[in-house]
Amino acid sequence: KAGVTQTPRYLIKTRGQQVTLSCSPISGHRSVSWYQQTPGQGLQFLFEYFSETQRNKGNFPGRFSGRQFSNSRSEMNVSTLELGDSALYLCASSQARTSGLQETQYFGPGTRLLVL
Amino acid sequence: GENVEQHPSTLSVQEGDSAVIKCTYSDSASNYFPWYKQELGKRPQLIIDIRSNVGEKKDQRIAVTLNKTAKHFSLHITETQPEDSAVYFCAASTSNFGNEKLTFGTGTRLTIIP
Repeated sequence: KAGVTQTPRYLIKTRGQQVTLSCSPISGHRSVSWYQQTPGQGLQFLFEYFSETQRNKGNFPGRFSGRQFSNSRSEMNVSTLELGDSALYLCASSQARTSGLQETQYFGPGTRLLVL
Repeated sequence: GENVEQHPSTLSVQEGDSAVIKCTYSDSASNYFPWYKQELGKRPQLIIDIRSNVGEKKDQRIAVTLNKTAKHFSLHITETQPEDSAVYFCAASTSNFGNEKLTFGTGTRLTIIP
């Protein structure tokens, strides 16, 4: 199976702009989670989507939002970009079977966002 | 919410020796503990995971131990090789349907000295 893919891989934006990042999960995976990775804060959970619904949300401001489509592909949007939003944004997918047990999360290569 | 602490932040080990990385978690309801390896410029990749109904799990040179009472778990790498050099992250999750959130430790940069 193809792995998790993310587009674009690199982005340069200026403060105040908005950005949309895309994530395509592994075929058959229904859950997509998003994480922000920075040298100072490490890997921090943004939100998780399952069946087009946000199930969990981390401690990020409302400028960070996301959605999931019927084919499980997900997008995240950051509005009114700030310098501190510069980071590697990773998405991860998992099967999320009905057993209720945490499934392995497989990460995409990430989108590196630089805000100037 | 869950809080995961990871130590040490950097670790240098002679090739062939063993490396141990330790994590503690705060939420006693956490029951799934994966370890990820991230090489420079690459995505995190799962190397081993353990659930709370198991005290130890091994996969070739890699093992993870879990102490639920003390709320800590450790990664053990034996016979280290240069390709083990990477940043390792521990994570914890309260594994129930509807919660796919991983809380990560701050990472350990492991360097294998040839």
